Amino acid sequence: AQKVTQAQTEISVVEKEDVTLDCVYETRDTTYYLFWYKQPPSGELVFLIRRNSFDEQNEISGRYSWNFQKSTSSFNFTITASQVVDSAVYFCALIRRGAQKLVFGQGTRLTINP
Amino acid sequence: GAVVSQHPSWVICKSGTSVKIECRSLDFQATTMFWYRQFPKQSLMLMATSNEGSKATYEQGVEKDKFLINHASLTLSTLTVTSAHPEDSSFYICSALTSGTYNEQFFGPGTRLTVL
Repeated sequence: AQKVTQAQTEISVVEKEDVTLDCVYETRDTTYYLFWYKQPPSGELVFLIRRNSFDEQNEISGRYSWNFQKSTSSFNFTITASQVVDSAVYFCALIRRGAQKLVFGQGTRLTINP
Repeated sequence: GAVVSQHPSWVICKSGTSVKIECRSLDFQATTMFWYRQFPKQSLMLMATSNEGSKATYEQGVEKDKFLINHASLTLSTLTVTSAHPEDSSFYICSALTSGTYNEQFFGPGTRLTVL
């Protein structure tokens, strides 16, 4: 069975600070995909990134960066120079190859204070 | 990217009535769609897998007679909450599955149901 753990339930920082959201996963499969989604107050899930298990390269997209480490089964997400608009709930998710069901973490509620 | 719509975006109904929520894949065909439920400050909980032309597969603990799912076409799945009660108030999200190298889900914007 797969499991995704986001130990940080809530994080609150002041604008312009850097913040890292942790994601630890469990799976026995060798091929799987990891995702991060953003859920703003409107409720719609916004896709941020997909990473397959064979690609451990870190990814940077503007102020967002992701660190995937298979050795520690972690896929952490960092926001640099946070902004108020980054306030949302962020979900990490996992799906094994060939499966249809996404396994979601419990989510981290991020609040960026002006 | 693929677009999934939901209708209505919000609905308020009286206890005992039934409510239908539609999920449409606008620019692709989806043989499989999913229905999730999300309570405040909680994660998404998968309710059921909707398969075009066949019966839905419900997750453990989800009452199939209460949450009726119909996937009559490759672009439309509906969730009907029958005899709704206040405890059914929640945020319902659908997603549609694409085929390809891996199975990617595209999510609808969600429907907020409030049962009075």
